[in-house]
Amino acid sequence: SQQGEEDPQALSIQEGENATMNCSYKTSINNLQWYRQNSGRGLVHLILIRSNEREKHSGRLRVTLDTSKKSSSLLITASRAADTASYFCATEDSSYKLIFGSGTRLLVRP
Amino acid sequence: DTGVSQDPRHKITKRGQNVTFRCDPISEHNRLYWYRQTLGQGPEFLTYFQNEAQLEKSRLLSDRFSAERPKGSFSTLEIQRTEQGDSAMYLCASSLKLTGPSTDTQYFGPGTRLTVL
Repeated sequence: SQQGEEDPQALSIQEGENATMNCSYKTSINNLQWYRQNSGRGLVHLILIRSNEREKHSGRLRVTLDTSKKSSSLLITASRAADTASYFCATEDSSYKLIFGSGTRLLVRP
Repeated sequence: DTGVSQDPRHKITKRGQNVTFRCDPISEHNRLYWYRQTLGQGPEFLTYFQNEAQLEKSRLLSDRFSAERPKGSFSTLEIQRTEQGDSAMYLCASSLKLTGPSTDTQYFGPGTRLTVL
């Protein structure tokens, strides 16, 4: 079963705009991670935020985590056509396995 | 630098046949995970190994599924008597888990897409 849900399920933006995706989860976590998946391919790790962190940056990515609300957001700034992909949040539980959400499909129009 | 590799990339089989997939993790990684992903969904955990020991199995892993990692390196996932509902992408990931309360990043392979006719 999925841990949580991403919102929105699909997002279409113009190149250069920012994209924001949200993730909610249900149980306590060690950390929360975001992955990208291009159509029909494996997942690429983007960024990890630990449960005691509130915000983290990596290049054009900004992740926030609110453990009181059990939610996280991923912001991609200055989007590019190459950012078109599905984005998944995944929470790591106490046994270190990842529990994924259902994903946000991002389309960046050139 | 070689990442996680999986073989085959695609497999088409008839219902009732057995299939076996292979995963080669990043060489120094001690943990290996199997996930299953159906269309439009996120991956779902199946099982994982620390070295050669299988430490956890999901309820999704019915008795038709078996996974091994005999020498703590590559792993195989076998599905016996395949059913149409087994059609999915099977993803393998590996990580280096250090002792203590550290977090290990999982690196995913390209997946094996199984179609059961």
